[in-house]
Amino acid sequence: KAGVTQTPRYLIKTRGQQVTLSCSPISGHRSVSWYQQTPGQGLQFLFEYFSETQRNKGNFPGRFSGRQFSNSRSEMNVSTLELGDSALYLCASSSGTTSDTQYFGPGTRLTVL
Amino acid sequence: LAKTTQPISMDSYEGQEVNITCSHNNIATNDYITWYQQFPSQGPRFIIQGYKTKVTNEVASLFIPADRKSSTLSLPRVSLSDTAVYYCLMNSGNTPLVFGKGTRLSVIA
Repeated sequence: KAGVTQTPRYLIKTRGQQVTLSCSPISGHRSVSWYQQTPGQGLQFLFEYFSETQRNKGNFPGRFSGRQFSNSRSEMNVSTLELGDSALYLCASSSGTTSDTQYFGPGTRLTVL
Repeated sequence: LAKTTQPISMDSYEGQEVNITCSHNNIATNDYITWYQQFPSQGPRFIIQGYKTKVTNEVASLFIPADRKSSTLSLPRVSLSDTAVYYCLMNSGNTPLVFGKGTRLSVIA
């Protein structure tokens, strides 16, 4: 099976702009979770989508949003970018059942100038 | 949120067996223990998951004592390419993964 794919892999934006990141889960997986990784805060959970519904949400401001499509692909949007949003954004997919393993994509490196 | 404690860093020579211990005193009945490996600027890679006793796969073994308050990841005969950060997590149900700082393993030639 193909793994989790994320596009784009690298992105450079300026403050105030918005950005959309995309994640395609492993075939058959219905759950997609998003994480932000920075040197200072480490890996932090953003939100999870299951069957097109947000099921869990982390402690991030409303500028961070997401959605999931009927084919389980997911997008994450960050509006009004700030310098502190520079990070590696990771997407993970799983079947969504109890204690199921999450498999991560390669990440999107976002740099905000 | 569930948290684990593991050493911040470890060094090992190539060819040695490496054991990384993780403490999870507040593990719940439904929690599984999962280990991930992460290289710089890449997504975490699933290594192994277990609930109790011993689990082994092609890359590692996971030892979990009866009280489940700790676990040990064992990497046999490490090579330079095993240099990475290793994360120990507890996860159950559909709750989000909570990552700590992990253990930075450095393998020396």
